[in-house]
Amino acid sequence: DAMVIQNPRYQVTQFGKPVTLSCSQTLNHNVMYWYQQKSSQAPKLLFHYYDKDFNNEADTPDNFQSRRPNTSFCFLDIRSPGLGDAAMYLCATSRDGIGSDGYTFGSGTRLTVV
Amino acid sequence: GDSVTQMEGPVTLSEEAFLTINCTYTATGYPSLFWYVQYPGEGLQLLLKATKADDKGSNKGFEATYRKETTSFHLEKGSVQVSDSAVYFCALSGTGNTGKLIFGQGTTLQVKP
Repeated sequence: DAMVIQNPRYQVTQFGKPVTLSCSQTLNHNVMYWYQQKSSQAPKLLFHYYDKDFNNEADTPDNFQSRRPNTSFCFLDIRSPGLGDAAMYLCATSRDGIGSDGYTFGSGTRLTVV
Repeated sequence: GDSVTQMEGPVTLSEEAFLTINCTYTATGYPSLFWYVQYPGEGLQLLLKATKADDKGSNKGFEATYRKETTSFHLEKGSVQVSDSAVYFCALSGTGNTGKLIFGQGTTLQVKP
């Protein structure tokens, strides 16, 4: 089945130690998104790629970076994780960026910062 | 800017009760509307969607109708089950917001046997 896969499901990192979260898709969708979801809150968009074009949200901290080396893969890099960055990180894709076919989410990576 | 407002939770129902979760939106243009469901520790799953006014989305017994005149997209189910216990998010995406999916705050549903 075509899908969005996030690895790992659970990630524990040390305060200040760089960490990378991975997302891959077999849908061949043009757009890939990274969301941060803290406990009992709605997902918050960090940034997205439309093909190779990177679009950062205005309030996304500089500590968060992203890479999309090809259509299938997208990475979220946290350069110096703080305790406040502990959250569920969700990757999503859409074919056209306007949701006419909906958005497909991965199962998420739960990040713990110790 | 575009926004989505959902009724506050948690909503607690007995099994086989009728469910309504209210959702209203503010948007420029004509957004697509979605309901997503999130089970504990999981990502979001698309429950249903509607892309134009008067469309009805339906899936697994859940329904929602895109009401442009009231800017609403209320979620309903005639008979809930314990397995429906989850967090439900209403969301919109429109041509004016470059592909962003904008979420409501989420409503927790707990169904008791």
